[in-house]
Amino acid sequence: EAAVTQSPRSKVAVTGGKVTLSCHQTNNHDYMYWYRQDTGHGLRLIHYSYVADSTEKGDIPDGYKASRPSQENFSLILELASLSQTAVYFCASSWDRKDTQYFGPGTRLLVL
Amino acid sequence: GDSVTQTEGQVALSEEDFLTIHCNYSASGYPTLFWYVQYPGEGPQLLFRASRDKEKGSSRGFEATYDKGTTSFHLRKASVQESDSAVYYCALRSGGSNYKLTFGKGTLLTVTP
Repeated sequence: EAAVTQSPRSKVAVTGGKVTLSCHQTNNHDYMYWYRQDTGHGLRLIHYSYVADSTEKGDIPDGYKASRPSQENFSLILELASLSQTAVYFCASSWDRKDTQYFGPGTRLLVL
Repeated sequence: GDSVTQTEGQVALSEEDFLTIHCNYSASGYPTLFWYVQYPGEGPQLLFRASRDKEKGSSRGFEATYDKGTTSFHLRKASVQESDSAVYYCALRSGGSNYKLTFGKGTLLTVTP
C-alpha cells in the first residue's frame, strides 16, 4: 500500500519566518503534489512535480516554493510566512498524472 | 475552469439511515470523477472513481453513478454506520493532459448510534 509521510505533523511559526514542510514517499511514484486545506475551500493544489529537480506551479503558488531533490522527497517552503498561510497541508503522490493520488496524513501549520 | 459543487456543510444521520451527498460538476471534455473520504487526523483516501457515462463506482457499501446528462455523481449508501463518520470530497480530473484534481468543499457526515 502507498506510504506517504509528512513532517512535522504540526508546527507553529511566526509571521515573516521561514517554514519548510517535508514529504517522503516510498512507492517509487514519479508525481508528487502539495495541497492546502481550508475550511470552506476543500483542497487546492499549490505545486507539483513529476521528476526530481523539477517543480511546477499549481493553482495557488503565490507565497510558496517547492523543492524535489530526489524521487522520494518533496518539500514545501514558505520563505516569509503570513497569517493567511495558516492551514492544513497535504502531500500526495501517484505513478503518473492519471493514477490515483495517495495522500499523507497532513501537517497543521499555525502562523502567529 | 473546472468546478465541483457538493452538499455543503454537515449531514447528521442516525445509524441505518440512508445517505445521499449531492455532487455536480462543471468541466470541459470528459472528466474522471472521484469520491474521497477523510477520517479525523488522516489524509483523504480514495473511495472509488468512475470514468465513463453511466459507470457505477462502489466501495464499502457506498456507490455513485456517473451521469453526464445531469453532470452529477451523487454519493449514496443504504444504511450508514457510526464508523462512516468522516468528511467526504467529490473531485474531478479533466481529460486530456490535465493532471490536476479539482475538489469540492467537502461534506462532514456525522452518524450517531
